[in-house]
Amino acid sequence: GIQVEQSPPDLILQEGANSTLRCNFSDSVNNLQWFHQNPWGQLINLFYIPSGTKQNGRLSATTVATERYSLLYISSSQTTDSGVYFCAVEETSYDKVIFGPGTSLSVIP
Amino acid sequence: KAGVTQTPRYLIKTRGQQVTLSCSPISGHRSVSWYQQTPGQGLQFLFEYFSETQRNKGNFPGRFSGRQFSNSRSEMNVSTLELGDSALYLCASSLTGDIYGYTFGSGTRLTVV
Repeated sequence: GIQVEQSPPDLILQEGANSTLRCNFSDSVNNLQWFHQNPWGQLINLFYIPSGTKQNGRLSATTVATERYSLLYISSSQTTDSGVYFCAVEETSYDKVIFGPGTSLSVIP
Repeated sequence: KAGVTQTPRYLIKTRGQQVTLSCSPISGHRSVSWYQQTPGQGLQFLFEYFSETQRNKGNFPGRFSGRQFSNSRSEMNVSTLELGDSALYLCASSLTGDIYGYTFGSGTRLTVV
């Protein structure tokens, strides 16, 4: 099946700093989604981005499907950005959803 | 609109027992997907139900089962619990089952002792 990797696994930022999170996937995918899991465990949709670029406030994402990677940019980070960021893909063959291992982000004041 | 409701929020069970978890999706959503989250294995897909039919299944043993009712509420059952079943169990509801439409519940944290 498809492999999904995320980097870095852990990230500590000073409040106000910028960061880039990466998601690599090993095969063609139908869909790609970024999620944020807050420290209480709630998973929230961030971006649906099978290709192209999207922006929502301080967050933006870019997926280059032909090169099998996606990037999530966080600018001017805030403590509320802390948590784990997951990318998830839908396999074209089996229609299953595979989550990456996540990037754990801690933003300190 | 009401979100996805998972009950109970916390559960402690003994090895060998069985457990049933419930997920009530957003009104109008016909798909419910279940995931297991552990520190070691991350988020793993269990199964998806759509209009009372299991449409997809992950690589879990037969001890893990589920069903969906006509009102789209779903239950998952784990029989003969093992210590390794301790995890956060999350369900996601959506209109069609595609991840772009996912809304997750807050999860049920199961501890097996």
